Amino acid sequence: SQQGEEDPQALSIQEGENATMNCSYKTSINNLQWYRQNSGRGLVHLILIRSNEREKHSGRLRVTLDTSKKSSSLLITASRAADTASYFCATDAAGNQFYFGTGTSLTVIP
Amino acid sequence: KAGVTQTPRYLIKTRGQQVTLSCSPISGHRSVSWYQQTPGQGLQFLFEYFSETQRNKGNFPGRFSGRQFSNSRSEMNVSTLELGDSALYLCASSLAPQGAGTEAFFGQGTRLTVV
Repeated sequence: SQQGEEDPQALSIQEGENATMNCSYKTSINNLQWYRQNSGRGLVHLILIRSNEREKHSGRLRVTLDTSKKSSSLLITASRAADTASYFCATDAAGNQFYFGTGTSLTVIP
Repeated sequence: KAGVTQTPRYLIKTRGQQVTLSCSPISGHRSVSWYQQTPGQGLQFLFEYFSETQRNKGNFPGRFSGRQFSNSRSEMNVSTLELGDSALYLCASSLAPQGAGTEAFFGQGTRLTVV
């Protein structure tokens, strides 16, 4: 069963705006990763944050992790039409497989 | 460096048949994982292989099986296909086993349609 739940399920914004999506999970983790999936294709790794980290940046992406609340957020700043995709969080604990969330479908309107 | 290659990309099979999907990981990667993605269930973990050994298995019936070869290439097999097996099957490879905090690289997937 999936451990993560993304929120919102769908998000529609104008180009240039910021997009924030959240991920909540149920059990303790070692790492949390965010992936992007363009329609019906493979997943592309965006960023990994370890359980002892609170915030991480990569280009226009900012990820936060709150292990006390068992939640993470992904912020995409200055969004572009090319950011239109589904975004998934994936959690893992030692020795265990990834658990993917349900995904947030982001639409960026030009 | 070549990415993860999955073959075939598209497949149409009839109920009751069996199918074999192939995944070639990135050179040097020893972990290969398989996922089933459907609109209703999202990404569901099937199994993970590391150095030819199955490390973890998801909650799928025994009709779903896999293996990994000494060159790290992996195959998954689904026997006695059912309509509900129609899905996008994704393979991911990584240097270390899942849970070790390494990035997983995904292939483009195999779109299986069962009619």
